[in-house]
Amino acid sequence: KQEVTQIPAALSVPEGENLVLNCSFTDSAIYNLQWFRQDPGKGLTSLLLIQSSQREQTSGRLNASLDKSSGRSTLYIAASQPGDSATYLCAVNGVGGYQKVTFGTGTKLQVIP
Amino acid sequence: EAQVTQNPRYLITVTGKKLTVTCSQNMNHEYMSWYRQDPGLGLRQIYYSMNVEVTDKGDVPEGYKVSRKEKRNFPLILESPSPNQTSLYFCASSPRDSLTEAFFGQGTRLTVV
Repeated sequence: KQEVTQIPAALSVPEGENLVLNCSFTDSAIYNLQWFRQDPGKGLTSLLLIQSSQREQTSGRLNASLDKSSGRSTLYIAASQPGDSATYLCAVNGVGGYQKVTFGTGTKLQVIP
Repeated sequence: EAQVTQNPRYLITVTGKKLTVTCSQNMNHEYMSWYRQDPGLGLRQIYYSMNVEVTDKGDVPEGYKVSRKEKRNFPLILESPSPNQTSLYFCASSPRDSLTEAFFGQGTRLTVV
């Protein structure tokens, strides 16, 4: 059974700092991996999707990497802003693409002005 | 506007009283899924559907039913709700695999007393 772990559970940083969020998974046989953002009382917003054949994806200040063999992904946020404060979730999709989805428990990020 | 709509957003009910949470998407997506989110446990998949009349169990299907009679709708049915089903529920849809371009609803907060 796939297990996804995110460390740390919570993180507080001053504005402007670069930071890395970690996601690890136990079964390397994945189809793709997605990073989401969740704001309090709201649904999930897709950030970056990495296919199993890719090593990284970038969007603006965000960069996500994937090392499938070691079962790890990282989300790098450059020059953090208070608006980045949210819970960040990673999710993995099993081989074939239409399999079960397993989410991590998330990292709650607070960026202090 | 592309969206996934869940109703109701908030619901308080009593143990054993059957209820249905509706989910509708306007993007002609093939894949739809239900998740529950609990503190410390993250999002866990309840059921998913790869297309009309095709559904499968996620990690926590006990106590829930689903149906996919039309492409746009994927209701979640609790035949006899119990207090341990008190949770925040999310519906999601995507056009291809279970994560790519996934849209999430705003969530339904269910309390069973």
